[in-house]
Amino acid sequence: AQTVTQSQPEMSVQEAETVTLSCTYDTSENNYYLFWYKQPPSRQMILVIRQEAYKQQNATENRFSVNFQKAAKSFSLKISDSQLGDTAMYFCAFMSGTRSYIPTFGRGTSLIVHP
Amino acid sequence: SQTIHQWPATLVQPVGSPLSLECTVEGTSNPNLYWYRQAAGRGLQLLFYSVGIGQISSEVPQNLSASRPQDRQFILSSKKLLLSDSGFYLCAWDTGAETEAFFGQGTRLTVV
Repeated sequence: AQTVTQSQPEMSVQEAETVTLSCTYDTSENNYYLFWYKQPPSRQMILVIRQEAYKQQNATENRFSVNFQKAAKSFSLKISDSQLGDTAMYFCAFMSGTRSYIPTFGRGTSLIVHP
Repeated sequence: SQTIHQWPATLVQPVGSPLSLECTVEGTSNPNLYWYRQAAGRGLQLLFYSVGIGQISSEVPQNLSASRPQDRQFILSSKKLLLSDSGFYLCAWDTGAETEAFFGQGTRLTVV
């Protein structure tokens, strides 16, 4: 079974600093997709970044980047120059073809950015 | 462009009453549709998913059911609500391929 683990229930960071959120997953497949979603206080889920397992290059989206370690089954999210608007729940998600591309989510990490 | 609508945004229902939450998607055809429940500290729990009209798969045995009467309509129901059904419910869709899911704004259900 595919599982996604986020071991940090809560994190905090000072504005303008960098923070890394951890995510590990368990799968026996070689081809799959990983995502980070953001859920701000409005509770609207928004995609932050995605990574295809067949790509060795780590995905980046402006201040957001990932450290994808396929052998270690690790997929961490780095937020640089943190902003107050980054305060949110962050969910790591996994999908693969053997499970009909149904997303499996971790339990989430609550990130608070302090001024 | 594609949009997803989910309603109502909030709902307070007495124990034993019925439930109907509705979700519709616009701008796409034959989407995969999902109902998730979000409980504090437990992430997103997949309740039901559907890959086509009338095709419903249940992930967790419970007091809820789902239906897909039209291609872009997904309904979450219960005949008799329990206190434990309280939570935040999210509808989502994707293309059923290697793409991300898109979420509705959610429904906060409180059973009293």
